[in-house]
Amino acid sequence: GAVVSQHPSWVICKSGTSVKIECRSLDFQATTMFWYRQFPKQSLMLMATSNEGSKATYEQGVEKDKFLINHASLTLSTLTVTSAHPEDSSFYICSARVGWRTPSTDTQYFGPGTRLTVL
Amino acid sequence: KQEVTQIPAALSVPEGENLVLNCSFTDSAIYNLQWFRQDPGKGLTSLLLIQSSQREQTSGRLNASLDKSSGRSTLYIAASQPGDSATYLCAVIRGETSGSRLTFGEGTQLTVNP
Repeated sequence: GAVVSQHPSWVICKSGTSVKIECRSLDFQATTMFWYRQFPKQSLMLMATSNEGSKATYEQGVEKDKFLINHASLTLSTLTVTSAHPEDSSFYICSARVGWRTPSTDTQYFGPGTRLTVL
Repeated sequence: KQEVTQIPAALSVPEGENLVLNCSFTDSAIYNLQWFRQDPGKGLTSLLLIQSSQREQTSGRLNASLDKSSGRSTLYIAASQPGDSATYLCAVIRGETSGSRLTFGEGTQLTVNP
């Protein structure tokens, strides 16, 4: 089955530093990847949609200059949290969609998530 | 704006019971609905995907139904086991123009006691 990996699985950083999270589709090509954020006891909130070779589309209220997304290849998307602050501490999950399927029948494959703690 | 609600927020049952988790959505113009399982501190595992033209999907002890007109879906778990303990999330794809963007409910935290 389709596998999506994330690296790192957890990271602790100091306030003001930047953190990069990688999302990889291991055995398929993903033209579209999604980044979600999940706070404790809450559901997943879509942050942005990342299309290979083009700029990411951010959801309302998500700062694009703070959460930099790069989708440079069909198997890799990165999320960089710039100048991280304690309120950015959260669980970040990516997902990938197989490019050739239609939205009505496809499914997203989710990564295992990255726990970010900003001190 | 699509809103997805799941009831109950938490559920605790003894092993062996059959149970039903509920999901409702405000905009019936969906393309499909998907049920996921999330273990603590982990990512999501897809359980069942129901296309908008379908009324139900089954996988093992799981059965999911979809009623678009009323904006509801249910996940039925038969003969529950302690290993079923997890948070169950439902999500809808809002429409063709939104691609595969999922809107999630807040989940039902299930505990199956041995």
